Amino acid sequence: DIQMTQSPSSVSASVGDRVTITCRASQAIASWLAWYQQKPGKAPKLLIYTASNLESGVPSRFSGSGSGTDFTLSISSLQPEDSATYYCQQSNSFPWTFGQGTKVEIK
Amino acid sequence: EVQVVQSGAEVKKPGESLKISCKASAYSFTNYWIGWVRQMPGKGLEWMGIIYPGDSDTRYSPSFQGQVTISADKSINTAYLQWRSLKASDTAIYYCARRMNDAFDFWGQGTMVTVSS
Repeated sequence: DIQMTQSPSSVSASVGDRVTITCRASQAIASWLAWYQQKPGKAPKLLIYTASNLESGVPSRFSGSGSGTDFTLSISSLQPEDSATYYCQQSNSFPWTFGQGTKVEIK
Repeated sequence: EVQVVQSGAEVKKPGESLKISCKASAYSFTNYWIGWVRQMPGKGLEWMGIIYPGDSDTRYSPSFQGQVTISADKSINTAYLQWRSLKASDTAIYYCARRMNDAFDFWGQGTMVTVSS
């Protein structure tokens, strides 16, 4: 299985700050990487697919980049509603696998 | 509007069997894979497996192979996740979701499964 490692595990930032989360794959996955946001008690929500494509309806302050083994999710100007846990997930090969999650908190 | 609606919460005893469902609407059910994801209490997301309802092609994570069965009934646009003999460690929220652009774009609301004696 391909292992996905996210860092940091948690981050605390102020409204308006830029936040960056990284995700590293244990082997090359081209651009087969998605990012999800999950708020407490809710199902995950797709933010980014194929590394850099913004899902319809997702605010443009979210962006994704990377290819191969190293990927990033950026929030350009953190908003209060962005407080959540974020997960990366590879879809290069079955079984798909998720990162362990990064909790984003607002200071 | 695309919807994926899951069956309600379940409380079971160890050793009991269970089948939970995931009903899709407003899209061509047979043309999109449906996957299942586990989330144990306070933990992250785990990919369990995925099925293509058009031909029932099914893939499992090695962690879940033999522990659960994924199936689909295309006549009623519904996918299923079932257990023959539940364990306390199966206590979790289970999500189904549609595969699109090699990601899960529409998610069910989750089914909470509690296994306790």
